Amino acid sequence: DVKVTQSSRYLVKRTGEKVFLECVQDMDHENMFWYRQDPGLGLRLIYFSYDVKMKEKGDIPEGYSVSREKKERFSLILESASTNQTSMYLCASSSSSGGLWAQYFGPGTRLTVL
Amino acid sequence: GNSVTQMEGPVTLSEEAFLTINCTYTATGYPSLFWYVQYPGEGLQLLLKATKADDKGSNKGFEATYRKETTSFHLEKGSVQVSDSAVYFCALSGGGATNKLIFGTGTLLAVQP
Repeated sequence: DVKVTQSSRYLVKRTGEKVFLECVQDMDHENMFWYRQDPGLGLRLIYFSYDVKMKEKGDIPEGYSVSREKKERFSLILESASTNQTSMYLCASSSSSGGLWAQYFGPGTRLTVL
Repeated sequence: GNSVTQMEGPVTLSEEAFLTINCTYTATGYPSLFWYVQYPGEGLQLLLKATKADDKGSNKGFEATYRKETTSFHLEKGSVQVSDSAVYFCALSGGGATNKLIFGTGTLLAVQP
């Protein structure tokens, strides 16, 4: 089974702090994604990566950056956390082969910014 | 652009009732279609998928048929259980090199004993 793990299930940070959310997948997937999930808004794509050191902006990249130094690891960085970044953050990965485009998700990190 | 529209919830059913959650899509080309489920406090899990017109995806008693003529992918289950209570997301693939998924806003299902 595909396994996607995220470094923390719950995280509480202060406004202005730099925050790192880590995601690791064990299926050698080329593609990795970061979403945030908010009530009434569904999932919104922040950034994605289709190869090591490659990244592309999603629909809401402002206030975030990402890093992908190794194929299995994709990090989301909040340079200076703000209260409007309080949310559930979901990481996902997928393979580029097979044409199915199914994504596999981690359990999520619920981030609270005070 | 591509988009997914699914029925708003919450949907409240009694145990053993029949479930339908509607999903329609707008897309160019021939996307793959997916249903994901999110149980309380967890991430999303892939429930079922279909890659071409008239395909039927099925898993855990849930089914959905890819209907190109009506651009729909409705989720159905003949007899729901309390353990099916969750949020259900319909999604389609953007295809191409970017491999992005477009998600609906989700439908909360609450099954009462």
